[in-house]
Amino acid sequence: EAGVAQSPRYKIIEKRQSVAFWCNPISGHATLYWYQQILGQGPKLLIQFQNNGVVDDSQLPKDRFSAERLKGVDSTLKIQPAKLEDSAVYLCASSLEGLAAKSYEQYFGPGTRLTVT
Amino acid sequence: AQTVTQSQPEMSVQEAETVTLSCTYDTSESDYYLFWYKQPPSRQMILVIRQEAYKQQNATENRFSVNFQKAAKSFSLKISDSQLGDAAMYFCAYRRTTGNTGKLIFGQGTTLQVKP
Repeated sequence: EAGVAQSPRYKIIEKRQSVAFWCNPISGHATLYWYQQILGQGPKLLIQFQNNGVVDDSQLPKDRFSAERLKGVDSTLKIQPAKLEDSAVYLCASSLEGLAAKSYEQYFGPGTRLTVT
Repeated sequence: AQTVTQSQPEMSVQEAETVTLSCTYDTSESDYYLFWYKQPPSRQMILVIRQEAYKQQNATENRFSVNFQKAAKSFSLKISDSQLGDAAMYFCAYRRTTGNTGKLIFGQGTTLQVKP
């Protein structure tokens, strides 16, 4: 079974530039999460999708961050314009929710390390 | 709001020895899930073990076991017979069982060093 795929693995941009990250979840997983992990901290949820609908985006800085999950499969997270404090690892995770779920396990991708200079 | 606290930024253990990582959490809910995740330098989060709050029996997975103290809101991870490959950052995480949100609330992490 293929895992959660993310690209790119690394990205360096200057502040005020824009950047986009891509995530492909495990096949059949209806729920997709984007987490932000600042160096030395635990991940923090940015947004959760159930199929192509948003379930929780309460901690997404909507003035500069946006995310979409067209057709309920792949997802893209965008930052425009980027700030220095956006430097972090962006993790994508997916899970198989519902009765078939094994205790709500989330499977994580390798993450994208963003550096804003 | 729920919070998760890991008070040990770094821990060290000798290969083949046992180490315990601490985690406390705060919630007003009676049913929830707790997890320990491992994050090696490759950054990929790997689930180590999970515990359902309604189960009194502590979860075990091979060399990994937890000590779940619900009244004290404590959830520690014990790693027995430590191996070099156990070196990583370990995160304790909490998840509600109610509502639609499936977000994990993570602690700050504990970096585990395994000495040969």
